[in-house]
Amino acid sequence: GAGVSQSPSNKVTEKGKDVELRCDPISGHTALYWYRQSLGQGLEFLIYFQGNSAPDKSGLPSDRFSAERTGGSVSTLTIQRTQQEDSAVYLCASSTNRAGANVLTFGAGSRLTVL
Amino acid sequence: DAKTTQPTSMDCAEGRAANLPCNHSTISGNEYVYWYRQIHSQGPQYIIHGLKNNETNEMASLIITEDRKSSTLILPHATLRDTAVYYCIVLNNNAGNMLTFGGGTRLMVKP
Repeated sequence: GAGVSQSPSNKVTEKGKDVELRCDPISGHTALYWYRQSLGQGLEFLIYFQGNSAPDKSGLPSDRFSAERTGGSVSTLTIQRTQQEDSAVYLCASSTNRAGANVLTFGAGSRLTVL
Repeated sequence: DAKTTQPTSMDCAEGRAANLPCNHSTISGNEYVYWYRQIHSQGPQYIIHGLKNNETNEMASLIITEDRKSSTLILPHATLRDTAVYYCIVLNNNAGNMLTFGGGTRLMVKP
């Protein structure tokens, strides 16, 4: 597609439930990133995928968070046993990952509200 | 570890140039300066990037000092739609490094 697509755009869930957030990157982009942004806060890096390399999971806040990227394209971020502090906008970005020109294109985000 | 320092907020009159400063005094030789902005309720948007030469595109100009310790993003004729948080980020040129966003500058363009 023309841009990075994320779904759902809004998700309201109850504490303790699992949620899955989906990201469709720009076709041909080898790198995919997940960030989250709590209300009024800056962007917090979560995880990064590059081609077939092992993902950089250094930003995941707890083991309740995991992400997959299947076939080098679509990615799913899973949050298990959601907590209220997980409420945030989850942003996905992709890039061609060329050295010296690592320009990220972001999706519109998935707003998660945990009641 | 804050690699960049930006003012928390700035105002600009509509139609005037908006000059957004960024200090990156510890920048290393292989690090680029990237600028993104985030308009309310949207994902961040790439604006421009550069290494040492000044750069210009349809959105903005980037002026980097000769010692590369600071830079200025210039929006030549700010509009109300340019109201956003502007992030200055330094990033080395190795493919695969992710952007680390600081607090940015909240630019308010006023009529």
